[in-house]
Amino acid sequence: QVTLKESGPVLVKPTETLTLTCTVSGFSLSNARMGVSWIRQPPGKALEWLAHIFSNDEKSYSTSLKSRLTISKDTSKSQVVLTMTNMDPVDTATYYCARIRAGMATILIDYWGQGTLVTVSS
Amino acid sequence: SYVLTQPPSVSVAPGQTARITCGGNNIGSKSVHWYQQKPGQAPVLVVYDDSDRPSGIPERFSGSNSGNTATLTISRVEAGDEADYYCQVWDSGVVFGGGTKLTVL
Repeated sequence: QVTLKESGPVLVKPTETLTLTCTVSGFSLSNARMGVSWIRQPPGKALEWLAHIFSNDEKSYSTSLKSRLTISKDTSKSQVVLTMTNMDPVDTATYYCARIRAGMATILIDYWGQGTLVTVSS
Repeated sequence: SYVLTQPPSVSVAPGQTARITCGGNNIGSKSVHWYQQKPGQAPVLVVYDDSDRPSGIPERFSGSNSGNTATLTISRVEAGDEADYYCQVWDSGVVFGGGTKLTVL
């Protein structure tokens, strides 16, 4: 059974750095053509992809947020970590981690975590 | 950057067929995936690679993709299908549509 669970602070202050951890089970972060993505959703708004990392350590970032994001993984701990610097109230959102699979010229998301709501406020 | 356009809302009576579109430049050349998100829940994959269904997804959910439009079709709509639906492609990054709220009248 594949599960993903996000953990991290529920409240951060403006200008602070957010660190989120995704702990996975039911699959290995070393599985070929599989990886983990971070996606966020502001209240009442659409999904927004942030970053992903594959088993071979290939990483990709949203163009608009690339300068603020860092993704990494610890395969032995089955964890993927996302850091986002210089947080702003507009970054208030539910943050999801999800398992991704690479196909022929595509990437799809087949399992999602429950999400964690992060509020940015002083 | 690549843009996916979805209608904000679609309404359908129970038992009827709902069609949710996803527009993009030459989207027919890409693989399109669809997600269902009910209030307070994480999204769930309902159609992948244009028209395939994950195990456990009813046959009532189907998809097509050609030209500049991909379509998610839900046949014999039930009250439990009321949700937000998102299309997604890969284009130098994961791209989501703006989402469509399906209302079952």
